[in-house]
Amino acid sequence: DAGITQSPRYKITETGRQVTLMCHQTWSHSYMFWYRQDLGHGLRLIYYSAAADITDKGEVPDGYVVSRSKTENFPLTLESATRSQTSVYFCASRTGQGNTIYFGEGSWLTVV
Amino acid sequence: QKEVEQNSGPLSVPEGAIASLNCTYSDRVSQSFFWYRQYSGKSPELIMSIYSNGDKEDGRFTAQLNKASQYVSLLIRDSQPSDSATYLCAVNSQTGANNLFFGTGTRLTVIP
Repeated sequence: DAGITQSPRYKITETGRQVTLMCHQTWSHSYMFWYRQDLGHGLRLIYYSAAADITDKGEVPDGYVVSRSKTENFPLTLESATRSQTSVYFCASRTGQGNTIYFGEGSWLTVV
Repeated sequence: QKEVEQNSGPLSVPEGAIASLNCTYSDRVSQSFFWYRQYSGKSPELIMSIYSNGDKEDGRFTAQLNKASQYVSLLIRDSQPSDSATYLCAVNSQTGANNLFFGTGTRLTVIP
């Protein structure tokens, strides 16, 4: 059972470049989420999606773009990366009825 | 005021002792409460969920909920070095997609 897989796991990019973090889940969960985790801030929700073609902003959406053309994929794009976007990014999912969310392994992004 | 607050620690306990982790939340209408464990460099994993006032036990873990005081706690009995991790408290939001708000986490160290 693969669950949620994220790629790349580790990425170093330069300021101003576009970066896409991929997320794929095999559970057919309707909801998917992107969080970032930073020291002193904990986990903060960037965007979420209730179903294919339905996305909505979380707490910290600025500078990020998401799409969800298929239920199993939820890519996160940084259109023009900034140093403040250096963080660990976690993709997560849950069923439509459930409250429990399950996390992917994380993507470590460094913007230099 | 943050939605979910935790003492960041670090909290150190000797092996075999009881570790007590606390969390307060601001949204009075929250209904679902979770404790996640996160090892260094890893993703959060769910260890307990609680929805009703009182205690819920699962092995060495006991979650306690007091909605009137807006307080959630996690007790770890017979603490083991393998319990050394950061513990994240999460509370659901009644807005949006019933998303979770996370505290910044409490770092626990169990000393052999």
